[in-house]
Amino acid sequence: DAGVIQSPRHEVTEMGQEVTLRCKPISGHDYLFWYRQTMMRGLELLIYFNNNVPIDDSGMPEDRFSAKMPNASFSTLKIQPSEPRDSAVYFCASSAEAGNTEAFFGQGTRLTVV
Amino acid sequence: GENVEQHPSTLSVQEGDSAVIKCTYSDSASNYFPWYKQELGKRPQLIIDIRSNVGEKKDQRIAVTLNKTAKHFSLHITETQPEDSAVYFCAAVPGGSYIPTFGRGTSLIVHP
Repeated sequence: DAGVIQSPRHEVTEMGQEVTLRCKPISGHDYLFWYRQTMMRGLELLIYFNNNVPIDDSGMPEDRFSAKMPNASFSTLKIQPSEPRDSAVYFCASSAEAGNTEAFFGQGTRLTVV
Repeated sequence: GENVEQHPSTLSVQEGDSAVIKCTYSDSASNYFPWYKQELGKRPQLIIDIRSNVGEKKDQRIAVTLNKTAKHFSLHITETQPEDSAVYFCAAVPGGSYIPTFGRGTSLIVHP
């Protein structure tokens, strides 16, 4: 397996534009997490899915943020409209059903909103 | 929910010295404690983990200790090398939720 795959690696967009981040988890992993990393706040959990179902989205900062997981091999995080304060590195991670196991992170998407 | 505190936020050592990073957690149901290393511009990657039925675990120059009574766990790196320079994150995972809560991270700088 190639690991968790995220795209794009870098995204620069203008304020007000819609941004969509993509993630392909490791095959067979039932948990998928979206994290945001900033210098000020560290790694923040935004939302996580279990078997494609969103379980906890309490970390999503605002209604501008939404996430979907239409199938076991694909998830998206969308920001609409984007704002400069959304600039951060967004990581997707997946882990196995067994629980209490390693979370495998993607390479991250560095988002810059100007 | 779980709350994880990590200290120090920055740690600077000379090559060959030891480094210790400490974390505390709040949820007594937490039973899995992974440590991740994130090199500059890279993804966090697991370096060592410990479960609640073990008090200490060692892997070459890296060791982790866990004190469940006091709700704290620590990462120990001996004979540090410049390539150990990175941000280290601790995490605590409550049994049943499987959701890791991360500490804020420690930036370790090893000077040659």
